[in-house]
Amino acid sequence: EVQLVQSGAEVKKPGESLRISCKGSGYSFTNYWISWVRQMPGKDLEWMGRIDPSDSYTNYSPSFQGHVTISADRSISTAYLQWSSLKASDTAMYYCARQDILTGHTGYWGQGTLVTVSS
Amino acid sequence: DIQMTQSPSTLSASVGDRVTITCRASQSISSWLAWYQQKPGKAPKLLIYKASSLESGVPSRFSGSGFGTEFTLTISSLQPDDFATYYCQQYNSYWTFGQGTKVEIK
Repeated sequence: EVQLVQSGAEVKKPGESLRISCKGSGYSFTNYWISWVRQMPGKDLEWMGRIDPSDSYTNYSPSFQGHVTISADRSISTAYLQWSSLKASDTAMYYCARQDILTGHTGYWGQGTLVTVSS
Repeated sequence: DIQMTQSPSTLSASVGDRVTITCRASQSISSWLAWYQQKPGKAPKLLIYKASSLESGVPSRFSGSGFGTEFTLTISSLQPDDFATYYCQQYNSYWTFGQGTKVEIK
């Protein structure tokens, strides 16, 4: 069974760093891109960027370039989303999703990680 | 960047109604369009991919159509479990989501 399991909810202060994770199982991790999607409270879905776990090549939305870093460790089938200095405006639910490199099909999503940034 | 314009933003309907949601792309995306259903506190669930292909396990009352820049999601007979928010997504060039359509009980 294909699964994407994300790390648990986080509560952080502004200026702190954070890395959240997304662990894939039940499939070949390097055969699918992993994308990250932000959903601020009561708002719509926003694509942040993606990574090809086979070579760690990344693409970022211009809205998020320079604000977050996406990485992956294929040895443990895990992708990461990290911030070096959080802001209150980073408070949101973050989802990872698996995309077929050839077909673009995206049928599997993680359960989401809620990040709360508050002083 | 490709922009996706979804309408309406809110839709009030009754059980049994036929419901249609529209999504327009700012440039041609061929058939690289998906539709998702999202319920509060849950991850989006894929309903339709490649504009008109029904995802495995999704009820046949859901259907999608369109090509190029104009797309529609139709629910042929609205069921109680269908009250949710629906998003279109282009994946022709990276990803862009529409603004969402909340389907409410009339």
